Amino acid sequence: KAGVTQTPRYLIKTRGQQVTLSCSPISGHRSVSWYQQTPGQGLQFLFEYFSETQRNKGNFPGRFSGRQFSNSRSEMNVSTLELGDSALYLCASKLAGDDYNEQFFGPGTRLTVL
Amino acid sequence: GIQVEQSPPDLILQEGANSTLRCNFSDSVNNLQWFHQNPWGQLINLFYIPSGTKQNGRLSATTVATERYSLLYISSSQTTDSGVYFCAVESTAGNKLTFGGGTRVLVKP
Repeated sequence: KAGVTQTPRYLIKTRGQQVTLSCSPISGHRSVSWYQQTPGQGLQFLFEYFSETQRNKGNFPGRFSGRQFSNSRSEMNVSTLELGDSALYLCASKLAGDDYNEQFFGPGTRLTVL
Repeated sequence: GIQVEQSPPDLILQEGANSTLRCNFSDSVNNLQWFHQNPWGQLINLFYIPSGTKQNGRLSATTVATERYSLLYISSSQTTDSGVYFCAVESTAGNKLTFGGGTRVLVKP
């Protein structure tokens, strides 16, 4: 069974631009979560989607948004990029929504904002 | 929200040595996972262990949920064990992992 996949793997943008990252969960997994990793703040939760609905959101500004499609694939968007948005963005999937299941992570998208 | 603390922050080992990494958390949890982050950034699942003890090869983990801590044991360490180890918990509120700050392990040949 294929693991969580994320595209693109690397991205370079300039301040003020917007970016869209994509995540395909493990087949059969219905919950997708996004995390941001920076050297200063560590790994922080962005949001979680289940059945196309955002169920939980971390403490990030409204420039960070996401969505989930009917096939459970998810995208996150960051608008009006700032230098501080440079980070590794990790996507995770788990089997079901209400159970406290094991989460599996993708390889990440490394975003650099110049 | 729930707080997760890992210790030590850094660990330098000689190949073949044993070590223990600790994870303390501040509230009841329904999920606890240990990860190893490889040099390319991917988080590799080591253990899903909300309670009890598990072993996988040279690695084992114990979570004592009532006392709010978990331990990861590395035995007979190898240079390939180098990297950052993260503990992450999912509180009873559910649906998100809160990560500790990690333990950076360097195993010297």
